[in-house]
Amino acid sequence: GENVEQHPSTLSVQEGDSAVIKCTYSDSASNYFPWYKQELGKGPQLIIDIRSNVGEKKDQRIAVTLNKTAKHFSLHITETQPEDSAVYFCAASGTNFGNEKLTFGTGTRLTIIP
Amino acid sequence: DSGVTQTPKHLITATGQRVTLRCSPRSGDLSVYWYQQSLDQGLQFLIQYYNGEERAKGNILERFSAQQFPDLHSELNLSSLELGDSALYFCASSIIATGELFFGEGSRLTVL
Repeated sequence: GENVEQHPSTLSVQEGDSAVIKCTYSDSASNYFPWYKQELGKGPQLIIDIRSNVGEKKDQRIAVTLNKTAKHFSLHITETQPEDSAVYFCAASGTNFGNEKLTFGTGTRLTIIP
Repeated sequence: DSGVTQTPKHLITATGQRVTLRCSPRSGDLSVYWYQQSLDQGLQFLIQYYNGEERAKGNILERFSAQQFPDLHSELNLSSLELGDSALYFCASSIIATGELFFGEGSRLTVL
């Protein structure tokens, strides 16, 4: 089955700086890569996703890049703000298989230092 | 607010006991998923129901079972509890079997 590795497990950045979280996946058939943000005491929430037919997707201060050859994808947050502090999870699946095949990484705890 | 409601939010029980976690999906969502999140672990998929029928099983123990009722709410039953079952249990829902998952706030289970 799919295996998703996520690094780093913790990340601290100064407010206003950029943060990058990286994930690798094992199944070359995977073609859907969402990122979820989990704030303290809440459930994960989708913040951005990318499909394998594109290499990059951007939404305001958040961007995701995908390298299918190397089987890795990354989350980039620019101009970080205190409200970006949370745990971020990457995930991978083959969309044809549905959400039950969505495999999550182990999470990155991001702390923004004011 | 995701629209997914989970109860109870916190539960403390003893080894060997049985508990039931409840989930009400977003209005109109037919798919319900259960995930387990242990300390420093990612989200482990347990089981999925679609419109009342079991659709997929993940790493769910035989001591655990679930069902989805005609009104689409779901229950996760955990029995013969062990210390290692202490975790956050999340329910998520989606309109169809693919696409964005909407998570509840979780039920934190502590087994003493």
